[in-house]
Amino acid sequence: GENVEQHPSTLSVQEGDSAVIKCTYSDSASNYFPWYKQELGKGPQLIIDIRSNVGEKKDQRIAVTLNKTAKHFSLHITETQPEDSAVYFCAATPDRGSTLGRLYFGRGTQLTVWP
Amino acid sequence: NAGVMQNPRHLVRRRGQEARLRCSPMKGHSHVYWYRQLPEEGLKFMVYLQKENIIDESGMPKERFSAEFPKEGPSILRIQQVVRGDSAAYFCASSPNVLGQGAGANVLTFGAGSRLTVL
Repeated sequence: GENVEQHPSTLSVQEGDSAVIKCTYSDSASNYFPWYKQELGKGPQLIIDIRSNVGEKKDQRIAVTLNKTAKHFSLHITETQPEDSAVYFCAATPDRGSTLGRLYFGRGTQLTVWP
Repeated sequence: NAGVMQNPRHLVRRRGQEARLRCSPMKGHSHVYWYRQLPEEGLKFMVYLQKENIIDESGMPKERFSAEFPKEGPSILRIQQVVRGDSAAYFCASSPNVLGQGAGANVLTFGAGSRLTVL
């Protein structure tokens, strides 16, 4: 099955700085890559996703890049704010009927933004 | 839209007891997925269900765990004879009734989770 590695496991930044979280995957058939934000005591919330037919996607302060050749994708958060503090998970899945919904998650990155 | 509803939010059981976790998907979603999150780890897929059908249970432990999604009512994840290693957060997610490529496919919305503690 798919194996997703995520780094770093913890990340501390000053408010206003940028944060970058990187993930690699092993299954070349994976073509859907979502990112989830999980706040303490809550469920994961989808913040951005990307499919393999694009290399980059942006949504305000959040961007995701994908390099299919190297099998890695990254989350970029600019102008970080204290409310960005949370655990961030990357995930990957082949987008085919037999594995629909079977997301393979990284182990998470605890992001702390200091005011 | 109330989102994905899970209950109970917290459940404490003694070893050997049964745990039942319930999940109501988002309105209009007929695909339900259960994931387990151990402390300081990512989520691990357990099972994927549609109404009255188990589509993929390859992530479920072979014994003591079962899941259902009846025609009426919520999806249930049942753990019999719980052991301390079952202590975890169990998340349910749902997706639109869409298969394969296209808008909405594989976009999972998660519930807030049920946190099981086995004493």
